[in-house]
Amino acid sequence: EPEVTQTPSHQVTQMGQEVILRCVPISNHLYFYWYRQILGQKVEFLVSFYNNEISEKSEIFDDQFSVERPDGSNFTLKIRSTKLEDSAMYFCASSSRLAGPPNEQFFGPGTRLTVL
Amino acid sequence: QKEVEQNSGPLSVPEGAIASLNCTYSDRVSQSFFWYRQYSGKSPELIMSIYSNGDKEDGRFTAQLNKASQYVSLLIRDSQPSDSATYLCAVSLFGNEKLTFGTGTRLTIIP
Repeated sequence: EPEVTQTPSHQVTQMGQEVILRCVPISNHLYFYWYRQILGQKVEFLVSFYNNEISEKSEIFDDQFSVERPDGSNFTLKIRSTKLEDSAMYFCASSSRLAGPPNEQFFGPGTRLTVL
Repeated sequence: QKEVEQNSGPLSVPEGAIASLNCTYSDRVSQSFFWYRQYSGKSPELIMSIYSNGDKEDGRFTAQLNKASQYVSLLIRDSQPSDSATYLCAVSLFGNEKLTFGTGTRLTIIP
């Protein structure tokens, strides 16, 4: 069964460093998302991406964040200058967005980001 | 602030019994509703989606939606120890792709 994959599974970085989290969405999906989950808290939406551009972003997704689809398979989240509060699980999700609801989103296994 | 509310639990249910999980949402234009299961340290796994009023059944799982009451629920029949997890309710608004999640209900099935 097709699935979303993410690398790395765990990333440790120093505060102020740049990190890139990578995702390979399900191959025939057109809509891509990043969410994060701080330990013990709810899953929070960061950004959605369709047709090579951001379709929506949350207030969390400030100027230090960016997303890119550099080729036909990868979808990346870059954090330019990491802060301690960026430590969280980052989940990539994708959906095919067939005509009409529901828009079922399938999540990857996540990348645990630890900022020291 | 658009909210999705769930009782955080823990909810303990004997093996073989029915587990009932509830969720309310604040935005009336919400269109689609989802139940995800999340094991500790793992990612959300989609169990059910529903967007029409009424019941939707899939194996041991039944999702129930009442848009007038802004209420969605998940029933798990013949609960198994492997059903022990946190169940996340998620909502998407009309014409909007993002999911808004509740805090989740931690379910424990007691053998």
